[in-house]
This record gives sequence, C-alpha cells and structure tokens, in this order.
Amino acid sequence: GAGVSQSPSNKVTEKGKDVELRCDPISGHTALYWYRQSLGQGLEFLIYFQGNSAPDKSGLPSDRFSAERTGGSVSTLTIQRTQQEDSAVYLCASRLSRGAGYGYTFGSGTRLTVV
Amino acid sequence: KQEVTQIPAALSVPEGENLVLNCSFTDSAIYNLQWFRQDPGKGLTSLLLIQSSQREQTSGRLNASLDKSSGRSTLYIAASQPGDSATYLCAVVSGNTPLVFGKGTRLSVIA
Repeated sequence: GAGVSQSPSNKVTEKGKDVELRCDPISGHTALYWYRQSLGQGLEFLIYFQGNSAPDKSGLPSDRFSAERTGGSVSTLTIQRTQQEDSAVYLCASRLSRGAGYGYTFGSGTRLTVV
Repeated sequence: KQEVTQIPAALSVPEGENLVLNCSFTDSAIYNLQWFRQDPGKGLTSLLLIQSSQREQTSGRLNASLDKSSGRSTLYIAASQPGDSATYLCAVVSGNTPLVFGKGTRLSVIA
C-alpha cells in the first residue's frame, strides 16, 4: 500500500488478557520498527526487524512482549497478560533501507487501553 | 547512549510569525536527522530528512538545518499558520541503533 497500515486503531482490553497488534509496512521496505508512546512521554523503541536478520529486541520492556514478522512483511506485536501500565499508543514504522538517505515512515498507531 | 533534547517544550505564537524550534543531540556521529509532526491522537508525519553530509533541507515554508559537529539542528517555520499547530519531533539515527527521539515541542499558532 501507499503507507504503513496498523490495526486495530483502538483496542480496549481487560487486565490480564493477551492482545495482538498488527502492522503492514510499505511494500518493499526491508526494515520494520515498533515504538511505544505513553501519555506525556516520548517515543520509546521496542523492537526492530531488518530483512532476514535476527530482530533487535533490546527495547522490549518485559518478557510479556514479543513480536514476529512473517515473510519479511506483516508484523504482529503481542502483549501477554496485559497490565494497566501497558496502556499507550503503539506505533509501527518501516524504512526502505538502513542507508543514511532513507527516512522512517510511521503508521497512525494503535491506541491500547487496559482497564 | 544517544540523547536528544528539544527546546522549548511548548511555544505559542501569533499567526504570521516566523519561528525556530531547536534540537540537540549528544553523539555527533549520526547518519541522519529527521523532523516529524504529530497532530493530537495521530501518528507521525515526516517533514524533512537531513543526511549527515548535508547542512540543510527545505520544503515549502519549512527549513531544517544541521550542524553535526556541534550536535544541533533547527527547524525554521516561516509565516506560521494556525494549521501548523502540532507537536514537532526531532529524531536521529546513529550507527545501527534505531531512531532516537526528543520529547518534542508543542506549537500553538494563534489566529
């Protein structure tokens, strides 16, 4: 598609439930990133996929968070046993390449509310 | 560890004024710097990308400059309009690390 697509746009879940957030990157983009933006906070890096390399998981806040990228395209971020502090906007971005001339394109995000 | 700081945190100006938003970063070994705009409840829209070898980039009323050696970038907005009201985010890429963001400048342009 023309841009990065994220679904759902909004998700309300009960504490303790698992949630899956989906990201469709721009076709042909080799790099895909997940970020989290909590209320009043800056953007926090979570995980990054580059081609067929092992993902950089250094930003994941706990082992309740995991992500996969299937076929080098669509990515799913899974949060298990959700907690109220997981409430945030989860943003996905893709990038054509890691070269200096390539910028990030972000989706509109998924707003997650844990009640 | 790269850190990005944006000053001021918030800014309110009358319509028509020219304004400058500031961004500084601690590690000057960057690949590029990107300015984004975020409207309330929305995702990020890329405004300008400056590669480390470049000094500035322009798009319409926006001009971004980069002084890599001093770790600074500025975003200049000419003839501001109420539609420019948003949060402006500066972010840098260093080495193999993903984009690191500042906390943003919240701009209000008053008609």
